Amino acid sequence: DTAVSQTPKYLVTQMGNDKSIKCEQNLGHDTMYWYKQDSKKFLKIMFSYNNKELIINETVPNRFSPKSPDKAHLNLHINSLELGDSAVYFCASSPSHSNQPQHFGDGTRLSIL
Amino acid sequence: SQKIEQNSEALNIQEGKTATLTCNYTNYSPAYLQWYRQDPGRGPVFLLLIRENEKEKRKERLKVTFDTTLKQSLFHITASQPADSATYLCALPDSGGYQKVTFGIGTKLQVIP
Repeated sequence: DTAVSQTPKYLVTQMGNDKSIKCEQNLGHDTMYWYKQDSKKFLKIMFSYNNKELIINETVPNRFSPKSPDKAHLNLHINSLELGDSAVYFCASSPSHSNQPQHFGDGTRLSIL
Repeated sequence: SQKIEQNSEALNIQEGKTATLTCNYTNYSPAYLQWYRQDPGRGPVFLLLIRENEKEKRKERLKVTFDTTLKQSLFHITASQPADSATYLCALPDSGGYQKVTFGIGTKLQVIP
């Protein structure tokens, strides 16, 4: 069983479109994250939710909107896609108490044409 | 937030030798430090966590040290194998809590048979 699963794995779309990426974890974790890994391989946090509540919101354009319908799911919706949004987006989860490692999905590679 | 320095140049090493990767940080001393492995097309996978009061941590062929005076962690892989080839990232918690960690850019290790 995949612990953290993201769909789709690849997403190719045109500039200006709206798209969503879905993430589900079956580890029973309370905290979920979205990261962006750019072409330079730098992994940067975007959002974090704890029990469906937004707790980390980094400097991300308003075009990015996360939604957590329950603590096992964290989706990412992106409006009006731009060329600079091309990257790999990773979902991760961890238990809510500190020091615990994060478990990552295998990423969604977003390519904007 | 924390500034992390990892040698982004690739490290090539002969099979059977010990690989040593460096993670330096420049701001506050973190309560712990984590190391992750990332393979191409996959998400990072947690390897080891070392706390500020621990000088050394081992797991099979892996060893991590943590020197809060030097603000440095070293990650060693003994008897390296081609299967150890991957990118290794260190991650440190942010002082703000909420389990936000900052990842280094990672060092790509290539073990040559």
